Amino acid sequence: SQTIHQWPATLVQPVGSPLSLECTVEGTSNPNLYWYRQAAGRGLQLLFYSVGIGQISSEVPQNLSASRPQDRQFILSSKKLLLSDSGFYLCAWSVGTVGGNTIYFGEGSWLTVV
Amino acid sequence: AQKITQTQPGMFVQEKEAVTLDCTYDTSDQSYGLFWYKQPSSGEMIFLIYQGSYDEQNATEGRYSLNFQKARKSANLVISASQLGDSAMYFCAMREGAGNTPLVFGKGTRLSVIA
Repeated sequence: SQTIHQWPATLVQPVGSPLSLECTVEGTSNPNLYWYRQAAGRGLQLLFYSVGIGQISSEVPQNLSASRPQDRQFILSSKKLLLSDSGFYLCAWSVGTVGGNTIYFGEGSWLTVV
Repeated sequence: AQKITQTQPGMFVQEKEAVTLDCTYDTSDQSYGLFWYKQPSSGEMIFLIYQGSYDEQNATEGRYSLNFQKARKSANLVISASQLGDSAMYFCAMREGAGNTPLVFGKGTRLSVIA
């Protein structure tokens, strides 16, 4: 069966420091991968999505970037964190192009920028 | 413009009663899908139910059913026989077009089940 792992689960970072969140999917190939962010008490905001290696679509201009160095690996990065980057980051995956494909989420990463 | 609107920030329901969570959507696509997710306090996002725009029957999954009214562009979630464990945030989401496009989420409704 397919599983998704995301780490670290929690981190506290100072303003101006770098960030790297990693997400790995197991049990499937060529997944569609997504990064969402959820600010406290808010809905989910799409940050990036990828339909294949090296193919990244950015939805929101910001100081974050994403990379997909391997088929089942999706990394969210920042060179210099801002206070407004604090939130709950969720990696997600789906497979194929059928409209009913469900998106499944990882456990999430809580980021606090201080 | 908001693509997904959830007008109820919070809802209360008595245990064992049914509750309806509202969701309206906005799209000009003919092919789209509607999803509901549950987010407990732990933060994980749990898929509950899916309805395709061409599906004629309302989707059902156990105690969850989706009241799909295409002309009114609404996709309300109905939870029957509420349980204490149903207390959580509930998000409505939509995908337009192909299945590799992202979901767009509403702002959510916090459901509290009272004993």
